[in-house]
Amino acid sequence: GESVGLHLPTLSVQEGDNSIINCAYSNSASDYFIWYKQESGKGPQFIIDIRSNMDKRQGQRVTVLLNKTVKHLSLQIAATQPGDSAVYFCAENIRPGAGSYQLTFGKGTKLSVIP
Amino acid sequence: DTAVSQTPKYLVTQMGNDKSIKCEQNLGHDTMYWYKQDSKKFLKIMFSYNNKELIINETVPNRFSPKSPDKAHLNLHINSLELGDSAVYFCASSQEGGGTDEKLFFGSGTQLSVL
Repeated sequence: GESVGLHLPTLSVQEGDNSIINCAYSNSASDYFIWYKQESGKGPQFIIDIRSNMDKRQGQRVTVLLNKTVKHLSLQIAATQPGDSAVYFCAENIRPGAGSYQLTFGKGTKLSVIP
Repeated sequence: DTAVSQTPKYLVTQMGNDKSIKCEQNLGHDTMYWYKQDSKKFLKIMFSYNNKELIINETVPNRFSPKSPDKAHLNLHINSLELGDSAVYFCASSQEGGGTDEKLFFGSGTQLSVL
């Protein structure tokens, strides 16, 4: 199940099941999005990206879905494995004013895989 | 042959001290960044440098001073450390910086604890 509150949202999934991690982004003008995975004690690692002219992109065991109408992004992980346990971040490329684009991160969701 | 490396991994120090964190990337990227991650895992950009030139400087106390001797290095110096500076600091790099579809590559982080 998923819990949201003052703490980092956590999603607990049985090994072998599919996981869906959701993210709401802020800027309707954002045109590029990335999902990152951060394992304990490590830096965020690129998983998959999607441009705003697409609504779905697939990688190896991962799929990203983009719904621009409601500004929603999701990451689907097929056949979740213990090694998928990590904190997952969505990030959007925002251009504040006339400046350069900068990657802005969402709050993160902790995925715990139950063996 | 780590792509983005930062040192030290852990830094424990007293309030009021001055400390530095070093970062180097061997990816040939033009842009480097510093991000701060708080206890709730929220990642926030602090600075970015493109080819030794400051591009982004978010609202960060001027006790924090980034220094880029060349485009492969971006060090972070912090004066008069405060308790609230305790966090994990991540260095990152990207190919060009400021573009619409920039992927960031992160170091493994420096956990700073101010006592």
